[in-house]
Amino acid sequence: AQSVTQPDIHITVSEGASLELRCNYSYGATPYLFWYVQSPGQGLQLLLKYFSGDTLVQGIKGFEAEFKRSQSSFNLRKPSVHWSDAAEYFCALRAAGNKLTFGGGTRVLVKP
Amino acid sequence: AAGVIQSPRHLIKEKRETATLKCYPIPRHDTVYWYQQGPGQDPQFLISFYEKMQSDKGSIPDRFSAQQFSDYHSELNMSSLELGDSALYFCASSSVAPDGYTFGSGTRLTVV
Repeated sequence: AQSVTQPDIHITVSEGASLELRCNYSYGATPYLFWYVQSPGQGLQLLLKYFSGDTLVQGIKGFEAEFKRSQSSFNLRKPSVHWSDAAEYFCALRAAGNKLTFGGGTRVLVKP
Repeated sequence: AAGVIQSPRHLIKEKRETATLKCYPIPRHDTVYWYQQGPGQDPQFLISFYEKMQSDKGSIPDRFSAQQFSDYHSELNMSSLELGDSALYFCASSSVAPDGYTFGSGTRLTVV
């Protein structure tokens, strides 16, 4: 069975500092991986996705993620966070039947 | 660009009432997915449809049913509502070989 784990429930970071959100997955085949961002009460916005090829993926809003098969990880990074990056971030895996399996989410708080 | 449209945005129902949520996918997307996100939870897959046929089923209660119509819009019907059904319900759409999923803004259902 497939699963996605986001070990950090909350992360607090200062504005302008770097951010890294961890995501580990378990899946028996080649994973299709996604990162979504959700502001309070809002929908899910796609930040980036990985299907194949270059393991470093660039997304919107200055985010990037690196796929590491050996570590079953797909960590999200941003070099310098802005106050508007405060939100909840979900890592997701496309499983059989094309449905998405989500991690538990990481809530990011940005200090001034 | 057209997005996934969900209606209504907010819905308040009493216990044991019924509710119908609607989802209008992006044009030319033939697959629709429904997810339920409880307070502080990650989205959980309920059900999906491809070309008007149910393609996959997740943790959807028997009290819920859904269908996809000839114009590809989908409706989630929820009967005998319980307090625990209070959640944000997302619809997402994709093409048959999804390289991405577009989520609607969700319907927030509150059962009182």
